[in-house]
Amino acid sequence: DSGVTQTPKHLITATGQRVTLRCSPRSGDLSVYWYQQSLDQGLQFLIQYYNGEERAKGNILERFSAQQFPDLHSELNLSSLELGDSALYFCASSVGSGSFSYNEQFFGPGTRLTVL
Amino acid sequence: GNSVTQMEGPVTLSEEAFLTINCTYTATGYPSLFWYVQYPGEGLQLLLKATKADDKGSNKGFEATYRKETTSFHLEKGSVQVSDSAVYFCALSSDTGNQFYFGTGTSLTVIP
Repeated sequence: DSGVTQTPKHLITATGQRVTLRCSPRSGDLSVYWYQQSLDQGLQFLIQYYNGEERAKGNILERFSAQQFPDLHSELNLSSLELGDSALYFCASSVGSGSFSYNEQFFGPGTRLTVL
Repeated sequence: GNSVTQMEGPVTLSEEAFLTINCTYTATGYPSLFWYVQYPGEGLQLLLKATKADDKGSNKGFEATYRKETTSFHLEKGSVQVSDSAVYFCALSSDTGNQFYFGTGTSLTVIP
């Protein structure tokens, strides 16, 4: 158990809908990262937040947005969903704000999103 | 741009066999390199890392050496166990430290 929790575990929805995925980091971690793991794209970094502020951005679509709240939990919002958005969405957390090289990330178990 | 290429799977080995999973990368500057492992139904876990050329990362009997001359970071283990069955991901962080790239993953099954 990494200490990172994600809810829900599974989510099934329809095209065009909007969903929110939630992540609670390990106690004491200030950074939260979001990743998408899909069959065709593999595992992709989406975005990082540190202490409420966006820190780094990867291949995140404009239809997707994230935020980190004062209690440090984070939410990933996915809107106008398409079939291709079906994937496993992972959240990770780390203590520091800076380089991926020096801040070990701890991954949650993921949320499986199915868009029908 | 930055990218990671790792060998296609799946890989099936007998217990106590030698394991190599190849990983090569393309990057500007001096990236850091990582191997992550994903056990069934779980999130990824950091297995080992190396932050500069010629560094060797090691953990739980696994090793990988950062080879800048061949842009490689191959994962090796001398004697695999059934409990090593998992998906292994090679990854790099950009030299600016603010981007992270994963390979496609290699599924390993170890049979008794």
